[in-house]
Formats: sequence, structure tokens, C-alpha cells
Amino acid sequence: GDSVTQMEGPVTLSEEAFLTINCTYTATGYPSLFWYVQYPGEGLQLLLKATKADDKGSNKGFEATYRKETTSFHLEKGSVQVSDSAVYFCALLGGYNKLIFGAGTRLAVHP
Amino acid sequence: DTGVSQNPRHKITKRGQNVTFRCDPISEHNRLYWYRQTLGQGPEFLTYFQNEAQLEKSRLLSDRFSAERPKGSFSTLEIQRTEQGDSAMYLCASSLVGTDNSPLHFGNGTRLTVT
Repeated sequence: GDSVTQMEGPVTLSEEAFLTINCTYTATGYPSLFWYVQYPGEGLQLLLKATKADDKGSNKGFEATYRKETTSFHLEKGSVQVSDSAVYFCALLGGYNKLIFGAGTRLAVHP
Repeated sequence: DTGVSQNPRHKITKRGQNVTFRCDPISEHNRLYWYRQTLGQGPEFLTYFQNEAQLEKSRLLSDRFSAERPKGSFSTLEIQRTEQGDSAMYLCASSLVGTDNSPLHFGNGTRLTVT
């Protein structure tokens, strides 16, 4: 069945460092891909999405490119801030608009 | 757009008791989903409704779990005879079918602790 695999956390970075969080997926066809973010004490928020191969989703300085060849959707940011500290979830859209999530990667950014 | 609302935010109950959670989706959204999230894991799909019809249930949803969406608006999730393994965050999400790749909008969740 469809699944998503993310790199394990926590990822600990200093402010202004470069961020990469790896995500790969297994699915039939070419599903839409998403990154959601969960800040402490809050619900899941959609961060960015890509609906077809080679699409790049971007938001708030974060980017991810849908790579069909490597079945990947890695999240990147050039310069992280303390306020980016959160848990990041990669997800794919399965049948009936059902999201299938990875296990999440916790990011901690220190001043 | 007031977002997806879930109540209560927290629920502590003793093993064996029944609990019920409520979800109010975004008003025009016709699909409603329930997910469960345990510590250190991503959300796992439980069930979803299109309008008032429950169209799919995960194998995670044992017979002790029941969900309803009686008028196609708010939904309730009931857990009977709770067990300690039911302790988790229960998330509700809604979306509007008919729009391409409509993203799911999540509520803040109900955290259940079974003692």
C-alpha cells in the first residue's frame, strides 16, 4: 500500500543554517504530495504542496520539489529561524482525498 | 472561515469509561476525516464521511469506536470501554470534494488520556 518515509529526528540546527528533511514515498501512480507543520500546542497546518512531477511547492521560505525518478519530496530552507522549530510531516494524497503521513521530523532551531 | 473546531481540547478518563469527542468542520466542507496521532508518530487515518455517509473505516477502528455525522455538518467520535492504549491525540480534518487536490484543514485535536 501507499506509504511515506521521513528522516528521523530530532534535527537540531543553529539559526540561519540550511535545512533539509528527507521524504520518500511509495504509491501507485503519481499522488499529490504535501508538507504539513505542527507547532507546539497547535494543529497541523499545510505548509506547501506539489501536484505533479517536477512541481516545486514553496511557502515561508520552505521549498520541496516533486521528484518522480527518486520518489522523493525533500523539504529545504536556506536559513532557518528559531520560530521554525516544530514537527514537520510529509504526506501523500491517497484515494478519497485521504492523506497518508510519515512519522514526522522534529526540528529544533537554537539562537 | 473559523477553521475546524474540536472539543474538548483535553479529556482524562478512567479505563472502562466511555468518551465522546466533537468536531465542527469548516462550514462548506463536505468531507470530514478522523485521524489518531500517538506520540512520535504521524497521524493515522481512522474514518471519513462525505456529507452524512461514512464511506471508509480503517482496521484501526475497533468495534469500541463509532463515528457519526448525522446531518452532514458536525461529527462525533465515541470510544466505549476505553483502554490505556486509546490514549492519543484525535484529530479531525475537513475538505471540499470537487476541488482538485483540496487540502485537508485540521483542527487542534482532542488529547485523550486514559488512566
